[in-house]
Amino acid sequence: AQSVTQLDSHVSVSEGTPVLLRCNYSSSYSPSLFWYVQHPNKGLQLLLKYTSAATLVKGINGFEAEFKKSETSFHLTKPSAHMSDAAEYFCVVSDRNSNYQLIWGAGTKLIIKP
Amino acid sequence: DAGVIQSPRHEVTEMGQEVTLRCKPISGHNSLFWYRQTMMRGLELLIYFNNNVPIDDSGMPEDRFSAKMPNASFSTLKIQPSEPRDSAVYFCASSLKGSSYNSPLHFGNGTRLTVT
Repeated sequence: AQSVTQLDSHVSVSEGTPVLLRCNYSSSYSPSLFWYVQHPNKGLQLLLKYTSAATLVKGINGFEAEFKKSETSFHLTKPSAHMSDAAEYFCVVSDRNSNYQLIWGAGTKLIIKP
Repeated sequence: DAGVIQSPRHEVTEMGQEVTLRCKPISGHNSLFWYRQTMMRGLELLIYFNNNVPIDDSGMPEDRFSAKMPNASFSTLKIQPSEPRDSAVYFCASSLKGSSYNSPLHFGNGTRLTVT
């Protein structure tokens, strides 16, 4: 069965410092993996997705994520945090066995300190 | 592209009243999803439509909830009668292909429902 674990419910970083949001998954088949971002009082927006092409995926707003099959991880990173990055981030997995079903992580709230 | 449009943005109603939430998916998308988000339970998939046909409504909490998609450009989620525990943010999302295996979802800004 598929599952997604976001290891931190909250991450706090200072503006200008690197961001790391951790995500581990389990999947029986070659998965597709996504990161979505939700700003306050907004819907969710796709940041990036991995679908069995390059393992290092670049997304919007300077974010990127690396698919590591051996570690079953898909951590989200950004070299330098900006105040506008403050939001909640969701890691999502699906595979061809799941058809339409997306498995959502519980979310990580990113706090940016000035 | 206007994105997924949901209305109303906020709805406050009294227990027992009927509530109707509306969604206009992105033109050309053939899959539509209704989600509910709460602090306690996170994001929950309520129902999924493909080509206007409900494929899976197993996430609908109970018979008080119903959803329709009369055409490719409109869907409704109705709660009748509403209860305080229905208070949540309800999101509509659409995608281009029937399977979301590879297709990302495009979300509306949600409807915040408060039932008093």
